[in-house]
Amino acid sequence: EAQVTQNPRYLITVTGKKLTVTCSQNMNHEYMSWYRQDPGLGLRQIYYSMNVEVTDKGDVPEGYKVSRKEKRNFPLILESPSPNQTSLYFCASSLWGGEQNGYTFGSGTRLTVV
Amino acid sequence: ILNVEQSPQSLHVQEGDSTNFTCSFPSSNFYALHWYRWETAKSPEALFVMTLNGDEKKKGRISATLNTKEGYSYLYIKGSQPEDSATYLCAFFNQAGTALIFGKGTTLSVSS
Repeated sequence: EAQVTQNPRYLITVTGKKLTVTCSQNMNHEYMSWYRQDPGLGLRQIYYSMNVEVTDKGDVPEGYKVSRKEKRNFPLILESPSPNQTSLYFCASSLWGGEQNGYTFGSGTRLTVV
Repeated sequence: ILNVEQSPQSLHVQEGDSTNFTCSFPSSNFYALHWYRWETAKSPEALFVMTLNGDEKKKGRISATLNTKEGYSYLYIKGSQPEDSATYLCAFFNQAGTALIFGKGTTLSVSS
């Protein structure tokens, strides 16, 4: 089944403790992206990747890192999480980012930083 | 900063009612307009991707239209059912962009 797999689904952590949210897709998509969803705001892009080893900042990149060492994986890294990073995170992928098939989203990761 | 506006923010209808929502986006450098359906506790799923002015797309009881010259799209639901209850997101992709810019969504609640 074609899908984007995110892990974990839920995570509670403490301020400053490094964490990684994994994202993997099995559709051979070139483009992958991370979004965060906060109440009253639309999905906001954190980072994106047009291809392997090519990543760039989105609208809200502060406090996050990403890597794209292989096409299928695009982990989101929080080196020193803070409470303002408490949010619902989505990973998404598409064939090349602007085509007509729409984005495929992962199931989301609800992160709480205390 | 590109801005995508959706209205209304939320609405509540009775089963069988037809309804529609609006998405407004910048009309310059248009490339594509996406609609997504987002059910509670699930992930957004693509409904339509529209690229041409005057485009009309339909999937069952849901349809969408696109006006790129004036920068708006309408999503219509005919004969709403409780299973249509969800948040409907629109997202804009411009020619120079590398990401979808999402609106805040319209949350629909359908009562039986």
